[in-house]
Amino acid sequence: LAKTTQPISMDSYEGQEVNITCSHNNIATNDYITWYQQFPSQGPRFIIQGYKTKVTNEVASLFIPADRKSSTLSLPRVSLSDTAVYYCLMTFGGNTPLVFGKGTRLSVIA
Amino acid sequence: DAGVTQSPTHLIKTRGQQVTLRCSPKSGHDTVSWYQQALGQGPQFIFQYYEEEERQRGNFPDRFSGHQFPNYSSELNVNALLLGDSALYLCASRPNTYTGELFFGEGSRLTVL
Repeated sequence: LAKTTQPISMDSYEGQEVNITCSHNNIATNDYITWYQQFPSQGPRFIIQGYKTKVTNEVASLFIPADRKSSTLSLPRVSLSDTAVYYCLMTFGGNTPLVFGKGTRLSVIA
Repeated sequence: DAGVTQSPTHLIKTRGQQVTLRCSPKSGHDTVSWYQQALGQGPQFIFQYYEEEERQRGNFPDRFSGHQFPNYSSELNVNALLLGDSALYLCASRPNTYTGELFFGEGSRLTVL
């Protein structure tokens, strides 16, 4: 699976939009781009998944350019409860296990 | 509908001991995987069970073993505990028709002294 690179940490004020970019230069044709969120002492939680262009759900948006070598997770109007670690992963499906990096630690400040 | 449940939530062991962690998957899910998460790191894949057999395994020694029961619940066993085995152990489940979404439990926090 393609290696992913994302910032180690980010800070934001409440109410701002936060964009976390992930690089995946060696993404394979069959890879989907998937983001998970993890709060301290809890298991990761699926946020959003996409293959190309833009995907939006009630929690976030995911922007994927045409070359698919990067992706951006957008969190609108963050609150203190969005403070968490966000992981960008490539998922292939089938029995391929998830490969987590260190993620991006987002701190939301009042 | 209960999600993935794990037990115990916390436990303390000493070096050389053995530990068993338990997981009940989300209703309707038949595939269970286990991950180890050390402090400050992302979760690392240990192994995955489907139809009561280990289907895939990550880079973990044979001290780590598992089992899946006919009701799809699963156990993770770790023998001859080392200090470095201290971590959060996460169980995740998914249905056979995989969409890329894994459902994780809240984990079992193991401390080895």
